[in-house]
Amino acid sequence: GENVEQHPSTLSVQEGDSAVIKCTYSDSASNYFPWYKQELGKRPQLIIDIRSNVGEKKDQRIAVTLNKTAKHFSLHITETQPEDSAVYFCAASPSGTYKYIFGTGTRLKVLA
Amino acid sequence: NAGVTQTPKFRILKIGQSMTLQCAQDMNHNYMYWYRQDPGMGLKLIYYSVGAGITDKGEVPNGYNVSRSTTEDFPLRLELAAPSQTSVYFCASSYQQRGRNQPQHFGDGTRLSIL
Repeated sequence: GENVEQHPSTLSVQEGDSAVIKCTYSDSASNYFPWYKQELGKRPQLIIDIRSNVGEKKDQRIAVTLNKTAKHFSLHITETQPEDSAVYFCAASPSGTYKYIFGTGTRLKVLA
Repeated sequence: NAGVTQTPKFRILKIGQSMTLQCAQDMNHNYMYWYRQDPGMGLKLIYYSVGAGITDKGEVPNGYNVSRSTTEDFPLRLELAAPSQTSVYFCASSYQQRGRNQPQHFGDGTRLSIL
């Protein structure tokens, strides 16, 4: 069935280093890929998204890349800060459907 | 705009009791969703709605019911609460037009414990 694999499940980095989280999707009809950040006890919040007609998108310290051929997309956070510590979820959504298929999440810890 | 508003924020139920989790959005979104999130886990879709009067099951619908009589409101009903329904429940909404998906907006969640 449709699924999104997300790796790693946990990631610890030193403050100032970069963090990369990778997702692989199975449904080739997926054309919209949002990333959500969820702080402890809070709601998931959108941090960046990308559509299938774009290979890369940046927003300050955050970037997302998409490889449609390999069905991979990745979140890159540069110059990490302690406030980046949270759980990050990727998702894939096929065009024109209700579906948002979520990855299992990555717990990022930024060590001061 | 308040976005997506969920009530209550916390609730403790006894086994066998029933309750309704409320969700309202003021963004005129056509799609609405209910997810549950167990501790340390991801989001599992319970029910969704693509518009007023239209609802359908997600991955884990057993033990729940929904209705969508208006665009704004999407309540989730638990009948005969069971300990396995202890979880955090998130309501979300999004807007779709001409097949172009938009991001989901989430409410603050309802923490539900069944004892």
